[in-house]
Amino acid sequence: KNEVEQSPQNLTAQEGEFITINCSYSVGISALHWLQQHPGGGIVSLFMLSSGKKKHGRLIATINIQEKHSSLHITASHPRDSAVYICAVEGGGADGLTFGKGTHLIIQP
Amino acid sequence: NAGVMQNPRHLVRRRGQEARLRCSPMKGHSHVYWYRQLPEEGLKFMVYLQKENIIDESGMPKERFSAEFPKEGPSILRIQQVVRGDSAAYFCASSPMAGNYGYTFGSGTRLTVV
Repeated sequence: KNEVEQSPQNLTAQEGEFITINCSYSVGISALHWLQQHPGGGIVSLFMLSSGKKKHGRLIATINIQEKHSSLHITASHPRDSAVYICAVEGGGADGLTFGKGTHLIIQP
Repeated sequence: NAGVMQNPRHLVRRRGQEARLRCSPMKGHSHVYWYRQLPEEGLKFMVYLQKENIIDESGMPKERFSAEFPKEGPSILRIQQVVRGDSAAYFCASSPMAGNYGYTFGSGTRLTVV
């Protein structure tokens, strides 16, 4: 069974700051997902990674398969980035996704 | 090209009643996953279905919960004789195939048991 740990659990930052959210997992995977959830809202898939790095706008996701670790970065953060960011892994013997508990991000103007 | 459609968005049930949650996957997606998000907790896998087949229900409580994905129509998650502890957000996700093809999530159904 895969254990997915995210840090930090909560993060408050000022607008414009560079944000990093970390995710580590215990068992080999076939892919890692970063998801975004706004309060009371649905879940949006941001990235699916199996190696290397991906970039979309101000968001960057990296993964190190050997170290079983991934990071999500937000450049030039904005209050609209305030949300819960969830790391989820796929594979490792399980169907569907195994999730971290999420990082609650608040960007203050 | 509608995404994953879940309904209702909000559902209130009294203890002992039945709750039926519906999920219509994206067009062309034949794999459906149900997840539950309890208050202040992370998402947990419940069940994985393909058309007319339950592939993995290892995350489903053994009693009162059932799921189906018929040949025609949406996938249904059914909770019989609901209790307060069933209050949660239930999310459905669909994918075109199993394994590394990405998932599209619905907006969820928020179930409140009173």
